[in-house]
Amino acid sequence: QKEVEQNSGPLSVPEGAIASLNCTYSDRGSQSFFWYRQYSGKSPELIMFIYSNGDKEDGRFTAQLNKASQYVSLLIRDSQPSDSATYLCAALLFSGGYNKLIFGAGTRLAVHP
Amino acid sequence: EAGVTQFPSHSVIEKGQTVTLRCDPISGHDNLYWYRRVMGKEIKFLLHFVKESKQDESGMPNNRFLAERTGGTYSTLKVQPAELEDSGVYFCASRDGGENIQYFGAGTRLSVL
Repeated sequence: QKEVEQNSGPLSVPEGAIASLNCTYSDRGSQSFFWYRQYSGKSPELIMFIYSNGDKEDGRFTAQLNKASQYVSLLIRDSQPSDSATYLCAALLFSGGYNKLIFGAGTRLAVHP
Repeated sequence: EAGVTQFPSHSVIEKGQTVTLRCDPISGHDNLYWYRRVMGKEIKFLLHFVKESKQDESGMPNNRFLAERTGGTYSTLKVQPAELEDSGVYFCASRDGGENIQYFGAGTRLSVL
């Protein structure tokens, strides 16, 4: 079982719709969770991070965390073609007192006009 | 302020040759990470520096890989001799000690022929 799992997609949504990206993780020791957006050939760019159960909103983005279900999601409201990218879910794992990110394989999002 | 920069952006070498990748972190960031993404797989942790010290090198695949960070500023990752399975995108990230957010460079795409 992979430590962080995402549906690879592509997830196709029409412009203006809500895109829902999901992620599950296996290690209950994971502390915080990060959503990165990556355009082809570019650096992963942080969109949101969350460490408490519940919802966290920032503009059109909402991150949701359910530690009991080991589930993280990212909602993108009013999706735009410019949102088309690969979205990477990552769990922050402390190992031996040090920290590192464990990534899922990423979900490709395609927003069509 | 400059972000994380990596050089070269793309390297094509033959099996058995040596390649050195360079990463310049965000100025003032003591924490520097190397990650790798091979074709079709998730981004995976390689190692973590704090200043010039290797804090966690549990992700280094074998002794053909050597990472250095002399002086605690930029870092290099040398692959010697390169093998076909080393092909992929090598990412560098840096982090300020006071937060958990890692900022990524655009990566070096390594192709071993």
